[in-house]
Amino acid sequence: EPEVTQTPSHQVTQMGQEVILRCVPISNHLYFYWYRQILGQKVEFLVSFYNNEISEKSEIFDDQFSVERPDGSNFTLKIRSTKLEDSAMYFCASSERWAEKLFFGSGTQLSVL
Amino acid sequence: RKEVEQDPGPFNVPEGATVAFNCTYSNSASQSFFWYRQDCRKEPKLLMSVYSSGNEDGRFTAQLNRASQYISLLIRDSKLSDSATYLCVVNNGGATNKLIFGTGTLLAVQP
Repeated sequence: EPEVTQTPSHQVTQMGQEVILRCVPISNHLYFYWYRQILGQKVEFLVSFYNNEISEKSEIFDDQFSVERPDGSNFTLKIRSTKLEDSAMYFCASSERWAEKLFFGSGTQLSVL
Repeated sequence: RKEVEQDPGPFNVPEGATVAFNCTYSNSASQSFFWYRQDCRKEPKLLMSVYSSGNEDGRFTAQLNRASQYISLLIRDSKLSDSATYLCVVNNGGATNKLIFGTGTLLAVQP
């Protein structure tokens, strides 16, 4: 069964450092998303991406965040200067159609110290 | 009113019990509705889509009431393996079409 893969599974970084979280969406999917979940809280939308551009972003997705699809398979989330409050599980997802049946990767647990 | 609201639980039920979860949503323009399941510290996994006519998948039945803006999930004959957090997910509708997650309802099935 095709799946979304994310690397790394865990990332520990110092406050102020840049991190890049990587995702390989399901190959025939056209829509890509990043969500995050702070421990004990709900899954929150960050950004959606289609046709090599951002379709929509939340208020969480400020100038410190960026996304990129550098080649035909990878989809990355970059946080330029991490803050303590960026510590969360970051989930990548993809779907065949817009905001329909999202399939999630297993997540990257980001810990900012 | 929260965009998507669920009773956080926990619901503690014995094996074999029937349990029902409800969810309300605030945006009347929402068009797509889903139930996801999330195990502790794992990714959400799609359990089922929810259609206006109601739909069933084995022991799971989902219903949608557009007039009252709520969605329900019924689990019959609960198994230990059903223990998880059940997430109600709704698309935001209108010009924005992102999926909004509820906080989830925790189900603990006891032997």
